[in-house]
Amino acid sequence: AQSVAQPEDQVKVAEGNPLTVKCTYSVSGNPYLFWYVQYPNRGLQFLLKYITGDNLVKGSYGFEAEFNKSQTSFHLKKPSALVSDSALYFCAVSPLGADKLIFGTGTRLQVFP
Amino acid sequence: DTGVSQNPRHKITKRGQNVTFRCDPISEHNRLYWYRQTLGQGPEFLTYFQNEAQLEKSRLLSDRFSAERPKGSFSTLEIQRTEQGDSAMYLCASSPPRDLTEAFFGQGTRLTVV
Repeated sequence: AQSVAQPEDQVKVAEGNPLTVKCTYSVSGNPYLFWYVQYPNRGLQFLLKYITGDNLVKGSYGFEAEFNKSQTSFHLKKPSALVSDSALYFCAVSPLGADKLIFGTGTRLQVFP
Repeated sequence: DTGVSQNPRHKITKRGQNVTFRCDPISEHNRLYWYRQTLGQGPEFLTYFQNEAQLEKSRLLSDRFSAERPKGSFSTLEIQRTEQGDSAMYLCASSPPRDLTEAFFGQGTRLTVV
């Protein structure tokens, strides 16, 4: 079965420190990979995507993600966290040829001052 | 605001009643998706339209659920004979014809069945 795993329900980091939010997937072929962020009372917002090419993808708000095919991972990273980055982050995959997203269960990021 | 619009934002209904939600996608987006999100879970795909054609339906979409997009613009999602298990956030998203890889989400409709 196709699935996305976000092994950490919550990640806590101090402001100014680097952050990593983990994601692994189990999908056949070469899927498209995404990160979305959800703030309270707001819709899911697109952060970045990997389609092909460079394994390091840069996105909105200083976030980036590293695709690792051998480990089937797509971890989200940011060199220096901000308190305003505190939100719920979702990893998602779109299997090749499928026009839909399969989401992980989400990771709540808390950045403290 | 030219984003995806969903109405109502909140709906409380009694078990057994029918409810209908509306989604207005971004103009010129020919693909429209419905997802459902329960507490502590990620969104789950329900169905999607390309223009007015419903091209895929998830097994999550029981026969009490029906979705339409009659003119290829806005879409409605109806739930008949609601059950408490239908309580969730219902999300709509749309994507443009030239870039299928990015979906824009609305704020969702939160349904509470009492």
